[in-house]
Amino acid sequence: AQSVTQLDSQVPVFEEAPVELRCNYSSSVSVYLFWYVQYPNQGLQLLLKYLSGSTLVKGINGFEAEFNKSQTSFHLRKPSVHISDTAEYFCAVKNTGFQKLVFGTGTRLLVSP
Amino acid sequence: DGGITQSPKYLFRKEGQNVTLSCEQNLNHDAMYWYRQDPGQGLRLIYYSQIVNDFQKGDIAEGYSVSREKKESFPLTVTSAQKNPTAFYLCASVRDRAYEQYFGPGTRLTVT
Repeated sequence: AQSVTQLDSQVPVFEEAPVELRCNYSSSVSVYLFWYVQYPNQGLQLLLKYLSGSTLVKGINGFEAEFNKSQTSFHLRKPSVHISDTAEYFCAVKNTGFQKLVFGTGTRLLVSP
Repeated sequence: DGGITQSPKYLFRKEGQNVTLSCEQNLNHDAMYWYRQDPGQGLRLIYYSQIVNDFQKGDIAEGYSVSREKKESFPLTVTSAQKNPTAFYLCASVRDRAYEQYFGPGTRLTVT
């Protein structure tokens, strides 16, 4: 069975500092990987996705993530965060031949001035 | 504008009552999903439907029921058998298994 681990439940960071949100997954087959962002009391919005090809994926709002198959990781990074990046971030994985998405428990990013 | 709508945004019910949450999409997506979100637990799959008139249980289906009579609509009923119904409920749809899921804005259900 697939699983996703987001070890950090909360990450505090100062504005304009870099940030990395960690995501590790377990799966015995090929996977698609996703990062979503959720602002308070809203639905989830896709930040970026890895389906195949280049392991460095660029998304919206200046975020990027790197797929590392040997370490089964898909960490999310941003070189300089803004106050408006304060939100909850979810990593998700699905087998390439399957419909179901499996989500991590989320990481709350808190950006302060 | 294409998208997913969920109504209402906030819903309050008394314990013992069934309640139905609405989810409508105009994206022409075949598959639709219902998730439950609780603090610190991420999203958990309740039910999903890949085509009209067909649906499957997810990881936490007990106390919930769904129908899929139209491609655009996938309502979720929270029954009185659900022990802890207070949560944030999210509906999603996807065009194809290779693509990302699109999410609605969610419905926050409070049962007292």
